[in-house]
Amino acid sequence: EVQLVQSGAEVKKPGESLKISCKGSGYKFPNYWIGWVRQVPGKGLEWMGIVHPGDSDTIYSPAFQGQVTISADESLTTAYLQWSNLKASDSAMYYCARRSLVGGYQLDVWGKGTTVTVSS
Amino acid sequence: SYELTQPPSVSVSPGQTARITCSADALTKQYAYWYQQKPGQAPVLLIYKDNERPSGIPERFSGSSSGTTVTLTISGVQAEDEADYYCQTTDSTGTYYVFGPGTKVTVL
Repeated sequence: EVQLVQSGAEVKKPGESLKISCKGSGYKFPNYWIGWVRQVPGKGLEWMGIVHPGDSDTIYSPAFQGQVTISADESLTTAYLQWSNLKASDSAMYYCARRSLVGGYQLDVWGKGTTVTVSS
Repeated sequence: SYELTQPPSVSVSPGQTARITCSADALTKQYAYWYQQKPGQAPVLLIYKDNERPSGIPERFSGSSSGTTVTLTISGVQAEDEADYYCQTTDSTGTYYVFGPGTKVTVL
């Protein structure tokens, strides 16, 4: 079964660092781009960026460039999203999703999400 | 950058047809994709490349495109179709993704 398993919920304080993960299984992990999507409670989906595990090529949304770091470890079949200086405004649900190899640019498999709460 | 426009909400009675539009100039050149998100759940891909349906997605979900507008049609709406629906596309190079603001479908 193709799946993306995300790490558990996090509660952090402003200024702290954080790295959440997304482990792929059931498919050739290096071949598929993995994207990250933010969803603030009660709001819509926001594309943050995408990484190709095979060569670590990474593209950021201009809105998130410099705010987060996206990476992947091919050997661990895991993608990551990290912050070095969390803010309260980073509180949200974060989804990872796989970009399909079939046809266009759709995200065909999604993780269940990781809730990040940043509060003093 | 560019934005996709969706109606905030659509209401439909069971068994009727719901149509959700998504508009942007970019859609004349780029494909659109549709996702369904139910409360407390991750999004699910419904339609790709304007009108293709992944395996496992019911036939009552269909997509179409005309000019700057793409449309997700739900035929014979069921209570379980109550959810938020998002369109998505990319820039001309496929580098940057963008999601629409989402449409909440309410089944009366």
